[in-house]
Amino acid sequence: DTGVSQNPRHKITKRGQNVTFRCDPISEHNRLYWYRQTLGQGPEFLTYFQNEAQLEKSRLLSDRFSAERPKGSFSTLEIQRTEQGDSAMYLCASSDLRQLVQETQYFGPGTRLLVL
Amino acid sequence: AQKITQTQPGMFVQEKEAVTLDCTYDTSDPSYGLFWYKQPSSGEMIFLIYQGSYDQQNATEGRYSLNFQKARKSANLVISASQLGDSAMYFCAMREEKAAGNKLTFGGGTRVLVKP
Repeated sequence: DTGVSQNPRHKITKRGQNVTFRCDPISEHNRLYWYRQTLGQGPEFLTYFQNEAQLEKSRLLSDRFSAERPKGSFSTLEIQRTEQGDSAMYLCASSDLRQLVQETQYFGPGTRLLVL
Repeated sequence: AQKITQTQPGMFVQEKEAVTLDCTYDTSDPSYGLFWYKQPSSGEMIFLIYQGSYDQQNATEGRYSLNFQKARKSANLVISASQLGDSAMYFCAMREEKAAGNKLTFGGGTRVLVKP
């Protein structure tokens, strides 16, 4: 399977704990995106990388959130001091810049976070 | 103002019939792309179809077609010959060329339930 993979698929944590999610994009995709989806809503953009550079961060991404993409391959999203409001599905997507006009983002299965 | 509006929160459709999902968008960017994704209960966002703002013809992909009316700023998805496996959430999304981060902006989604 050469699609986008995310781990873990589910995470339950207590308020105040730190959590880290991993995303492995489609091989050779140079762009990688993180979105957050709360229940009953569409996904909302958090941040994106082009290769290893983080080029854009949403205002939704508070100081407690940090994302990395070392060496332009997999990416991690860390949430420090989790709050109940962080409970959501965290979706990762990747795309190939070389597609130019139709640069389709392909999504992973997501990580469901529940903060108790 | 909402950039992507999906006015139908939920729809029932009889198996083997066609269904149209509404999507209207708002942008001043002359260059943009419109996407439809399917999200089954498993959570993964599955890419269905793409329409570029400069495309002269409506996009089609198998049983999916896009009714693109640029002047009305609408991009409705038509699913023909509905199958039980089509039961899912459907999201319309837009990428504006000038938008920072090359991000997708999603609508609130429409839940489709196919009845046997």
